[in-house]
Amino acid sequence: QQQVRQSPQSLTVWEGGTTVLTCSYEDSTFNYFPWYQQFPGEGPALLISILSVSDKKEDGRFTTFFNKREKKLSLHIIDSQPGDSATYFCAARGTNAYKVIFGKGTHLHVLP
Amino acid sequence: EAAVTQSPRNKVAVTGGKVTLSCNQTNNHNNMYWYRQDTGHGLRLIHYSYGAGSTEKGDIPDGYKASRPSQENFSLILELATPSQTSVYFCASGGRGRDTEVFFGKGTRLTVV
Repeated sequence: QQQVRQSPQSLTVWEGGTTVLTCSYEDSTFNYFPWYQQFPGEGPALLISILSVSDKKEDGRFTTFFNKREKKLSLHIIDSQPGDSATYFCAARGTNAYKVIFGKGTHLHVLP
Repeated sequence: EAAVTQSPRNKVAVTGGKVTLSCNQTNNHNNMYWYRQDTGHGLRLIHYSYGAGSTEKGDIPDGYKASRPSQENFSLILELATPSQTSVYFCASGGRGRDTEVFFGKGTRLTVV
């Protein structure tokens, strides 16, 4: 079964700090990697995404990095804010464009 | 803004009963998905569809059926509900492109007693 492994399971950072979430995958046919953000009581929503032809994508305080050789990706949040407290999922999509496979998520707590 | 609406938002069902979860999208997306979310497991794909009349098995289809009668509607059916199916269920829709966004509904919390 295709897998996307995500770590850590839970993370607490101070306001203003940098948050780093990581994921790894096995299937070399994966070529699109979105990150989703989920607040309690809501469905996940797309935060940022990257294609396998790129190694970095930035959107404001959020940056995602992709390492094709190591089959790893990461999400960096600079100047973390209490409003960033949420669950973050990395995901992957490959040759079967219909299927999006999710990691187990990281619960992020940003303390003021 | 893309819209995916799930109903009901909360449901309590009895073991052995039939449960139908409904999903409607106004995005005119071809692809629709049903996921369940459980602590420690993240989001797991149950069934998906790439158009009206089609349903495909995801990674955990056992005990579930799906129906896609139209572009807009996608249902998840539990013919004989079991307590292990207690979970939060999310419907989602997305376009055909490899890098198109998938939009999620707000979820249905199902409790099987």
